[in-house]
Amino acid sequence: DTEVTQTPKHLVMGMTNKKSLKCEQHMGHRAMYWYKQKAKKPPELMFVYSYEKLSINESVPSRFSPECPNSSLLNLHLHALQPEDSALYLCASSLTGFNEKLFFGSGTQLSVL
Amino acid sequence: DQQVKQNSPSLSVQEGRISILNCDYTNSMFDYFLWYKKYPAEGPTFLISISSIKDKNEDGRFTVFLNKSAKHLSLHIVPSQPGDSAVYFCAASDSGSNYKLTFGKGTLLTVNP
Repeated sequence: DTEVTQTPKHLVMGMTNKKSLKCEQHMGHRAMYWYKQKAKKPPELMFVYSYEKLSINESVPSRFSPECPNSSLLNLHLHALQPEDSALYLCASSLTGFNEKLFFGSGTQLSVL
Repeated sequence: DQQVKQNSPSLSVQEGRISILNCDYTNSMFDYFLWYKKYPAEGPTFLISISSIKDKNEDGRFTVFLNKSAKHLSLHIVPSQPGDSAVYFCAASDSGSNYKLTFGKGTLLTVNP
C-alpha cells in the first residue's frame, strides 16, 4: 500500500464554519506534512509532524490547526477561514523526513465562501 | 527569493520525441533533487530523484541530469507520450534542513499526438 488517502476530495465552507480535513497512510512513514497549493503555483509547506510531534509550523495563521492522533493519521482543523484560503490542500508523508521523496495524497479542493 | 527556478512555464513536443525540462537552483546547500508530475486537482506524483553525489539517474523513459557547477538539472523524457502531458515540478532539499522541500513553479508539458 503506497497510498496517502485524503478526505474529503472537495469541501465548500462558509467563513463561520468549522471543518476538518483528514489524511491517512499505512506505509509506516513517520513524517507527515500539510501543503497548500494555489492554482498555477507550487505547493507551499504549512506543517510537518515527525514521530507524531509538530516539527515545523511555517507561520500559518491559527485558523488552521493541525493534529496528529497517531502515526497513520493527520488532521487539519479549519475555523473562521477567509476566501483567500481557498486552495488545494495536500497531505504528504515520508519515511523519516530526511532528504527523501514525499508521497502525496490527491488533495482536498477547498472553497471558502 | 526563489531558490528553485523553472524558467519555462510551458513546453510542447510531438509524441515520440524527446522532452527536456530544465531547472536551476541558487542554494549551494541543496544536495537532493526530485521531479514530480502533477495532473490538475490531483496531488504530485514522484517521478525520479538524484543525489548530489551523482550526475545522472535513469528510470525507464525518464533520466535526470545534474550539473552541480552550473546549479542546473534537467529531466529528459524519451520517447514522450500523450499521457506525459502534465505539470512537472522540480524540487530540492538539503541535509541540514530536514523535511523542507523547495519547489519550483512548474512547467506545463503538452505532448501532441
